[in-house]
Amino acid sequence: ETGVTQTPRHLVMGMTNKKSLKCEQHLGHNAMYWYKQSAKKPLELMFVYNFKEQTENNSVPSRFSPECPNSSHLFLHLHTLQPEDSALYLCASSQDHTSGAIEQFFGPGTRLTVL
Amino acid sequence: KQEVTQIPAALSVPEGENLVLNCSFTDSAIYNLQWFRQDPGKGLTSLLLIQSSQREQTSGRLNASLDKSSGRSTLYIAASQPGDSATYLCAVKRSQFYFGTGTSLTVIP
Repeated sequence: ETGVTQTPRHLVMGMTNKKSLKCEQHLGHNAMYWYKQSAKKPLELMFVYNFKEQTENNSVPSRFSPECPNSSHLFLHLHTLQPEDSALYLCASSQDHTSGAIEQFFGPGTRLTVL
Repeated sequence: KQEVTQIPAALSVPEGENLVLNCSFTDSAIYNLQWFRQDPGKGLTSLLLIQSSQREQTSGRLNASLDKSSGRSTLYIAASQPGDSATYLCAVKRSQFYFGTGTSLTVIP
């Protein structure tokens, strides 16, 4: 595997379900990100982890819970979601997030549908 | 808060035409600007990265320019092909990355 991978690619869940999204990067980076992409809206940054420490949490509802066990893996745990949470969830990675100019690399995304 | 705008939202051109996509941002204090391509339902593919000290970057038929003082960047695509059809996004980095809503490009054979 190369680059940034995400699983599953598609997920349909009910509002009472619990599920997790997984992201893995094979680029030796130290920062990982979760974004939400909804139709007609800019990408919304949800969480940033830098050297396994969470550095950004952009007022994301508690029904989304991130986990970063090491610099290569990132999870997004989902529970009691709402239909408006349906979107494409993108994972990205980069070198140290606090460095000035850095390049982000994205995974293919997980298309989430909440019924 | 940084705001990033991309105009036009959609663009349709005949194959072979040269075209320019625009990106503007409100706060010129950025570290870099990155252009991405996104195919329907897929992730973002990095096309070009311009550091704040640079004026332009080139890769194949793509050329991106940056005018930080005016808060503008352009992505020039030469001799467009149907395979260039996609949504093109720009993002600027300061404390975090800020994205535009993209330009949806269709190249007609």
